[in-house]
Amino acid sequence: QVQLVESGGGVDQPGGSLRLSCAASGFTFSSYGMHWVRQAPGKGLEWVAFIRYDGSSSYYADSVKGRFTISRDNSKSTLYLQMNSLRPEDTAFYYCAKDRDPIKVGPLYFFDYWGQGTLVTVSS
Amino acid sequence: EIVLTQSPGTLSLSPGERATLSCRASQSVSSSYLAWYQQKPGQAPRLLICGASNRATGIPDRFSGSGSGTDFTLTISRLEPEDFAVYCCQQYHSSPITFGQGTRLEIK
Repeated sequence: QVQLVESGGGVDQPGGSLRLSCAASGFTFSSYGMHWVRQAPGKGLEWVAFIRYDGSSSYYADSVKGRFTISRDNSKSTLYLQMNSLRPEDTAFYYCAKDRDPIKVGPLYFFDYWGQGTLVTVSS
Repeated sequence: EIVLTQSPGTLSLSPGERATLSCRASQSVSSSYLAWYQQKPGQAPRLLICGASNRATGIPDRFSGSGSGTDFTLTISRLEPEDFAVYCCQQYHSSPITFGQGTRLEIK
């Protein structure tokens, strides 16, 4: 069955960096667009970034543009989120999520599977 | 960006009752590009509805979605104990994707 397992979360200071990973299994990873979505404690969900199935293009929320980079290694069925210049407002659970349908080229879609999330805390 | 406002914030009902959850968009969501998710503590969100009214694979038929334009509704016809959770809507009509703040469905 489909599994998405995030890792890499932790505590870091403002201005620091973290790299999140999402290991995928149970489906043909290289055929699906993937997203990162975050949720601050007690708050709603916020879309963060999308990468096309082949990695050829990516899109970002304005709140993270220029600081975060989404990437993927289809040979390892793994999605990444490089987070630089971290701010306290980046504190959240970070989820990876899969497009329901394959070969979607843009970020506007919905998600049929999500990971359990990994917590990122940015605090001095 | 499209702002999604969900109401009520919290809904207190008993098993067997009918639940009606609202999601209102600040702009029209054309082609009904709206989805609903269920979220339980410590669990991954679960897709319930896409295209405003299409149940996702494996979702029981007590869950139904309706609406168009700016007003959408998720209805749970007869609440089961496992349905008490947070529900949120998501639009994928225009960039960026946005979510509602959620409705908490709690046992009365």
